[in-house]
Amino acid sequence: DAKTTQPPSMDCAEGRAANLPCNHSTISGNEYVYWYRQIHSQGPQYIIHGLKNNETNEMASLIITEDRKSSTLILPHATLRDTAVYYCIVFSSGGSNYKLTFGKGTLLTVNP
Amino acid sequence: GAVVSQHPSRVICKSGTSVKIECRSLDFQATTMFWYRQFPKQSLMLMATSNEGSKATYEQGVEKDKFLINHASLTLSTLTVTSAHPEDSSFYICSARDALAGGSDTQYFGPGTRLTVL
Repeated sequence: DAKTTQPPSMDCAEGRAANLPCNHSTISGNEYVYWYRQIHSQGPQYIIHGLKNNETNEMASLIITEDRKSSTLILPHATLRDTAVYYCIVFSSGGSNYKLTFGKGTLLTVNP
Repeated sequence: GAVVSQHPSRVICKSGTSVKIECRSLDFQATTMFWYRQFPKQSLMLMATSNEGSKATYEQGVEKDKFLINHASLTLSTLTVTSAHPEDSSFYICSARDALAGGSDTQYFGPGTRLTVL
């Protein structure tokens, strides 16, 4: 079972920032927060991941609360091509279990 | 980012035939690859974990004799759907694990293969 909770859908205006929330209240100390997105009929695309510090790359920023029980993915200037299902996944690469468990994600629709 | 390819992207076959799908990590070596299946309007479901040079580990409910997985090299894993039936029609997606030093690693996904069994 997925260990994260995300809203099923969100809308965003083109050019505005999209802020996608994720709750992961049962996250353990060695688990990372990963974000992927899936555009219709394509494989998931890796976006970003973090442990406890905020992270930024060319695609997005990841803000993780101090208690690590929630996080927010920020797309600073959303475009129509950012319309996709966004998945928040908590994952630990420790040990021998490298399985990602996908929940239902958030369908982000960017409107013109 | 790392690139994973899949071939073919789309395949249509007759019931009872076998179909092979290839998954390649193009610019990194992947000791572990994964195979997922996705039905329309549903999320990805993990089918099996494939480790280079060893037998795959299948998730509960996935028939290992029907979905044959081979991971013969660090850059190639194959999934063969044997004696395919219409209910096997689905979107099959592979991922490859890029293990980084420092404890965190990332899985990169292929573009998927759309299988239609007539």
